Amino acid sequence: DGGITQSPKYLFRKEGQNVTLSCEQNLNHDAMYWYRQDPGQGLRLIYYSQIVNDFQKGDIAEGYSVSREKKESFPLTVTSAQKNPTAFYLCASSTSSGGTYEQYFGPGTRLTVT
Amino acid sequence: KNQVEQSPQSLIILERKNCTLQCNYTVSPFSNLRWYKQDTGRGPVSLTIMTFSENTKSNGRYTATLDADTKQSSLHITASQLSDSASYICVVPAYSGAGSYQLTFGKGTKLSVIP
Repeated sequence: DGGITQSPKYLFRKEGQNVTLSCEQNLNHDAMYWYRQDPGQGLRLIYYSQIVNDFQKGDIAEGYSVSREKKESFPLTVTSAQKNPTAFYLCASSTSSGGTYEQYFGPGTRLTVT
Repeated sequence: KNQVEQSPQSLIILERKNCTLQCNYTVSPFSNLRWYKQDTGRGPVSLTIMTFSENTKSNGRYTATLDADTKQSSLHITASQLSDSASYICVVPAYSGAGSYQLTFGKGTKLSVIP
């Protein structure tokens, strides 16, 4: 999991509540990413950030929001507008967003919304 | 459309046996191909990254091959161990503009190694 921490590991929320997932890295990486993983599906990109104070929508950004106020931190908020929020969420980071740079993943947060 | 297809979807093998997992991709232009191992409930961990010029690359008991002409890759696991039980994910970066790439993920092959 190399230098990327996500907390908490398990999170339970009631429908209609916003929830924020934490992601911190001490690898001095510029780029950070949020992915969602559902059973039988490949990872899908929610948001990514190439540099502090800048972020871009991924393929499934609707119902999510992010911030990048510090290089080390990239929190993800799952809002009540996200129709199917129950999933496994993975944060990753890389030196840069170039194609040759390896992405390192955190241990993940499993969110369950009932 | 950029796609990464993996087969088989799942596989059960006996301990100490060998196995081969397949990956076909249609990502263009091609930069590199990656294999990740993901234990249940954990984040993926990189096994190998292969560039266009590399045909074979080994990481211990894991050997990846790449045929850039046919856009196919395989991951061969030798003398499997119980700890090899995991999902193996094939990943290819796709150019998304402005010098940045987004990873295209396969759905993974779920490998179960049994005693």
